[in-house]
Amino acid sequence: NAGVMQNPRHLVRRRGQEARLRCSPMKGHSHVYWYRQLPEEGLKFMVYLQKENIIDESGMPKERFSAEFPKEGPSILRIQQVVRGDSAAYFCASSPLNLGWANTGELFFGEGSRLTVL
Amino acid sequence: TQLLEQSPQFLSIQEGENLTVYCNSSSVFSSLQWYRQEPGEGPVLLVTVVTGGEVKKLKRLTFQFGDARKDSSLHITAAQPGDTGLYLCAGGPLISNFGNEKLTFGTGTRLTIIP
Repeated sequence: NAGVMQNPRHLVRRRGQEARLRCSPMKGHSHVYWYRQLPEEGLKFMVYLQKENIIDESGMPKERFSAEFPKEGPSILRIQQVVRGDSAAYFCASSPLNLGWANTGELFFGEGSRLTVL
Repeated sequence: TQLLEQSPQFLSIQEGENLTVYCNSSSVFSSLQWYRQEPGEGPVLLVTVVTGGEVKKLKRLTFQFGDARKDSSLHITAAQPGDTGLYLCAGGPLISNFGNEKLTFGTGTRLTIIP
């Protein structure tokens, strides 16, 4: 299965610790999006990355949160000094680079990483 | 900021009944997608509509994009327990860069079909 892979699926952290969430996009996809989902809510956009480039981080908190998508390896969403309000499911999605696909915007989602902050 | 409101937020009906879920916004979108998400999993795309007034059918599911491209509806005929899940609409902005779009997701409708 060459789908979007996220790990860990579940992560428990105490307040003040760091959380690192990883995402490997589908094969051939060069665009990665991170979304956050709170219980019983929809998905909120956080950041959009291409390899070695942050395209749009308008949805990501300015403090404690950072994201990268290196030339080699998975995309990483890093949350420093976690607080209870960071508890959520974090979803990664990928899409191919294909101008002919513009305006259909299909995203392929991973199964999510569920962060619990104690 | 573009917002998509879905209604109802929760819906629980008996197997075999029909239902409609709505997705509304004051903003115009270039496209509108519907996803279904099951517990513990990521959303899975059901359909994309791109033209105002467009209607698409997927077996017992009928999707419509409003004429002004500000709203959409999902109608399910003869609902089955397998239709249970969180239904999310998502809109693509009018202006996109690099051929990709940042989707705005709706608030979600949690549907439960009772056998």
